[in-house]
Amino acid sequence: TQLLEQSPQFLSIQEGENLTVYCNSSSVFSSLQWYRQEPGEGPVLLVTVVTGGEVKKLKRLTFQFGDARKDSSLHITAAQPGDTGLYLCAGDAGTASKLTFGTGTRLQVTL
Amino acid sequence: EPEVTQTPSHQVTQMGQEVILRCVPISNHLYFYWYRQILGQKVEFLVSFYNNEISEKSEIFDDQFSVERPDGSNFTLKIRSTKLEDSAMYFCASSQGLGQPQHFGDGTRLSIL
Repeated sequence: TQLLEQSPQFLSIQEGENLTVYCNSSSVFSSLQWYRQEPGEGPVLLVTVVTGGEVKKLKRLTFQFGDARKDSSLHITAAQPGDTGLYLCAGDAGTASKLTFGTGTRLQVTL
Repeated sequence: EPEVTQTPSHQVTQMGQEVILRCVPISNHLYFYWYRQILGQKVEFLVSFYNNEISEKSEIFDDQFSVERPDGSNFTLKIRSTKLEDSAMYFCASSQGLGQPQHFGDGTRLSIL
């Protein structure tokens, strides 16, 4: 069974601070997707990383896929209250079509 | 931007009854999925569907569950003889192809009484 562990589970920071969320597994994934989920809504896709070592930037968000394609990180620079939400990583093993979701990181950014 | 739509947003059903959850995937997508999220837990894969047949299913997706694409736009999840533990958010997703990013709907909250 493939598992994705995210850390930290909860993070409360002030506006302007930087943060990093980690997504780790002992399994190799062909791609990894990061989603953000608001209460009562479905996960919204932020980015997909495919190549080991790949780095993608989305404004103040930087996503990295580990060289071995077993882990990923999400770094947010100068966090804003609008970044508040649940961040989920999800891995695609490639041989099948299902996504394995991580345990989630709930981020709270206060003024 | 095209999106996956799900109806109803909330379904309340008596235990033992049948429910059908409906989804309209993004129009040019070929792969369709159902996931569920029990309150406070991870999003879990249920089933994937391609070319009018199931591609893969999890151990959760037992004989109580079935999926169907009754026409060119809808994708449904049927749960027969519902149980209390079926209470969860059910998310539909679609993708253009295998390994392509999956886009999710806003879910149906299913409450079994």
